[in-house]
Amino acid sequence: GQQVMQIPQYQHVQEGEDFTTYCNSSTTLSNIQWYKQRPGGHPVFLIQLVKSGEVKKQKRLTFQFGEAKKNSSLHITATQTTDVGTYFCAGLSSNDYKLSFGAGTTVTVRA
Amino acid sequence: EAQVTQNPRYLITVTGKKLTVTCSQNMNHEYMSWYRQDPGLGLRQIYYSMNVEVTDKGDVPEGYKVSRKEKRNFPLILESPSPNQTSLYFCASISFGTSGRQYFGPGTRLTVT
Repeated sequence: GQQVMQIPQYQHVQEGEDFTTYCNSSTTLSNIQWYKQRPGGHPVFLIQLVKSGEVKKQKRLTFQFGEAKKNSSLHITATQTTDVGTYFCAGLSSNDYKLSFGAGTTVTVRA
Repeated sequence: EAQVTQNPRYLITVTGKKLTVTCSQNMNHEYMSWYRQDPGLGLRQIYYSMNVEVTDKGDVPEGYKVSRKEKRNFPLILESPSPNQTSLYFCASISFGTSGRQYFGPGTRLTVT
């Protein structure tokens, strides 16, 4: 079945630095979504990427979808304490509409 | 206000005692889904439903049942809960429009002793 791998599992970042989290799928995806979950909260939708090679930006966040629609990345510039949380990618299978989540990248920020 | 509601939010129960976690959405979404979240494993899909009376197994369906008799409701049923079903459960619904945004409920923390 479809698997979505996400790395790194943990990211400790100095405030002001950049970091990237990566997702890779074992199969081609129909689309990929990114979510953020704050401690004690529920996942909140950030964005969806649909097209091969698509790049979208939300302020300091840049999302990319690979040309083969099997990988994606989230890059955050100038990390702030408000960026703390766990970031998940989720890939929608093009075959059966199953949505598979990566294990998440948990981000902590050193002030 | 667009929302997904789950009840109960917290539940402690004993092995073998049947329980139901309710989920309801007010956005007229066709697609609804149940996930469990465990440390280090992320969110794993239990069951999903593309529409009324249409349900499919996700990645970890064993020990769970669902039903979709109405568009807005998607209850999760544990016929005979076991301790390995202790987890945080999320219900979600999706708009398959332009954004594909998935809305999550607040979560149900279940402990089975």
